[in-house]
Amino acid sequence: GQQVMQIPQYQHVQEGEDFTTYCNSSTTLSNIQWYKQRPGGHPVFLIQLVKSGEVKKQKRLTFQFGEAKKNSSLHITATQTTDVGTYFCAGPDSNSGYALNFGKGTSLLVTP
Amino acid sequence: DTEVTQTPKHLVMGMTNKKSLKCEQHMGHRAMYWYKQKAKKPPELMFVYSYEKLSINESVPSRFSPECPNSSLLNLHLHALQPEDSALYLCASSQVVGTSSRGYTFGSGTRLTVV
Repeated sequence: GQQVMQIPQYQHVQEGEDFTTYCNSSTTLSNIQWYKQRPGGHPVFLIQLVKSGEVKKQKRLTFQFGEAKKNSSLHITATQTTDVGTYFCAGPDSNSGYALNFGKGTSLLVTP
Repeated sequence: DTEVTQTPKHLVMGMTNKKSLKCEQHMGHRAMYWYKQKAKKPPELMFVYSYEKLSINESVPSRFSPECPNSSLLNLHLHALQPEDSALYLCASSQVVGTSSRGYTFGSGTRLTVV
């Protein structure tokens, strides 16, 4: 089945620095979704990417879907302490009836 | 209503106990899920319900038994659990299984401790 790999596992930045997390799939994805989970919280949906080469922006967050629809990235410009949390990419897994299979996540720590 | 409500928020149970986790949504979503999340790990899919029918069981031990009484409710019955089953149990819903432009909506979870 589909394996979603995500790097880095951890990232520690100073407030104001940029941050990027990368997601790679072993198979072509029909779509990819991104979630944020704050410490002690639950995953919260950020965005879904569907089209090859798609780029979407949400304020300081930029999401990209690769041309081959096998990779994706999330870039945060000028991080803030409110960005702290774990960012997960997730793709539908054919072995699970196309339910979401989550990557291992990237934990972001931002120090002021 | 744009929330998924899970009860209880915390649960401590013995290995011989029987308990149930409850999940409710009123967004008209036709897919509901149970995920298990251990500390510093991603959510792992346990069960998928699509239109109130169990469509996927990810080889979960029989000591976990899901139930979907109607399109708004999802239960997870627990019996004879092991300490390694201690985790955060997350319920989620989506418009349909798979592609959903609004993604999955997760509840805040039940933090389960098995003693």
